[in-house]
Amino acid sequence: GENVEQHPSTLSVQEGDSAVIKCTYSDSASNYFPWYKQELGKRPQLIIDIRSNVGEKKDQRIAVTLNKTAKHFSLHITETQPEDSAVYFCAVLPSGTYKYIFGTGTRLKVLA
Amino acid sequence: NAGVMQNPRHLVRRRGQEARLRCSPMKGHSHVYWYRQLPEEGLKFMVYLQKENIIDESGMPKERFSAEFPKEGPSILRIQQVVRGDSAAYFCASSSTTPGQGSGNTIYFGEGSWLTVV
Repeated sequence: GENVEQHPSTLSVQEGDSAVIKCTYSDSASNYFPWYKQELGKRPQLIIDIRSNVGEKKDQRIAVTLNKTAKHFSLHITETQPEDSAVYFCAVLPSGTYKYIFGTGTRLKVLA
Repeated sequence: NAGVMQNPRHLVRRRGQEARLRCSPMKGHSHVYWYRQLPEEGLKFMVYLQKENIIDESGMPKERFSAEFPKEGPSILRIQQVVRGDSAAYFCASSSTTPGQGSGNTIYFGEGSWLTVV
């Protein structure tokens, strides 16, 4: 079955710097890759997603890139702000299924 | 347009008691999923339901756990004879179509039910 690895597990950056979180997956047929932000005690919130027919997608300070050949995708946050501090999860939806496979999460701390 | 509604938000149960978690999907959504999140871990798929049908319960422990989504009313995740290892956040999600079909891949999570077993 699909296996998703997420790195790093923790990431501290200075306010205004960029943060990059990377996920690798094993099933080359997977076709949907969302990213979720989860604040303490809250639900995972979809912040950006990308489908397998697209290489990059951007939404203001957030972008996601997908390398299908290498089977990895990354979340990029530019000009980080303290409110970006949270746990970020990548997920993969293998083709033909409805079960999202989640990464283990990255705890991002943005230092003011 | 209300999102996915879950209750209770927090539930404390003693070992051996039963826990019932409820989930009302977003308006217009007929697909419901339950995920479990253990402390400091990612979310793990438990069960996928449509109205009156369990489509896939492969992620749910065979014993003590059950789920339903009746024709009327919310979906319910039931845990009998709870043990300390059941302490976790249980998230319900819903979608309008089955992920993987067409463009309907997005699922929306509720605020979660935090179960603590003492």
